[in-house]
Amino acid sequence: GDSVTQMEGPVTLSEEAFLTINCTYTATGYPSLFWYVQYPGEGLQLLLKATKADDKGSNKGFEATYRKETTSFHLEKGSVQVSDSAVYFCALNSNYQLIWGAGTKLIIKP
Amino acid sequence: DTEVTQTPKHLVMGMTNKKSLKCEQHMGHRAMYWYKQKAKKPPELMFVYSYEKLSINESVPSRFSPECPNSSLLNLHLHALQPEDSALYLCASSRVIRDTQYFGPGTRLTVL
Repeated sequence: GDSVTQMEGPVTLSEEAFLTINCTYTATGYPSLFWYVQYPGEGLQLLLKATKADDKGSNKGFEATYRKETTSFHLEKGSVQVSDSAVYFCALNSNYQLIWGAGTKLIIKP
Repeated sequence: DTEVTQTPKHLVMGMTNKKSLKCEQHMGHRAMYWYKQKAKKPPELMFVYSYEKLSINESVPSRFSPECPNSSLLNLHLHALQPEDSALYLCASSRVIRDTQYFGPGTRLTVL
């Protein structure tokens, strides 16, 4: 079946560092891919999405490119802030449901 | 506007109580979802409604009873819950099934 694999956390970075959170997937067909973010004590927010190969999703300085050849959708940001501390989930759309990665906790230190 | 609202924000209930969670969206979405999320885990799908009809029930115990009174509103009725049902309950909606899902802030439920 379809699956999503994320790098394990927590990931700890200093403010203004470059961020990469790896996400790879296995799927039949061509699913849409998503990054959701969950701040402490809150619900899930859609961060960005891509619906087809080579699409780049971007929002709030975060970017991810749908790479069909490597089945990847890595999340990147050039300069992180303390306010980016959260849990990040990679997901794909499979029929009626989202298939989720395990989540990566990001900690940004001032 | 991509807002999904949920009430209450927090709920504490005993194992013999009956309570309800409410979810509302005004985006004209015709698919709505209930999820359960335990700490440090991704959400688990519970129910899917499509055009106000229950489409998917992911083998959820009968002590959870969903209801979709109209296209904007989704309820989750709770009865005789167990302490292990304590979790964050998230509602989501999408234009149709398989489209991008937008989540509400959740209801944090504690069962004593």
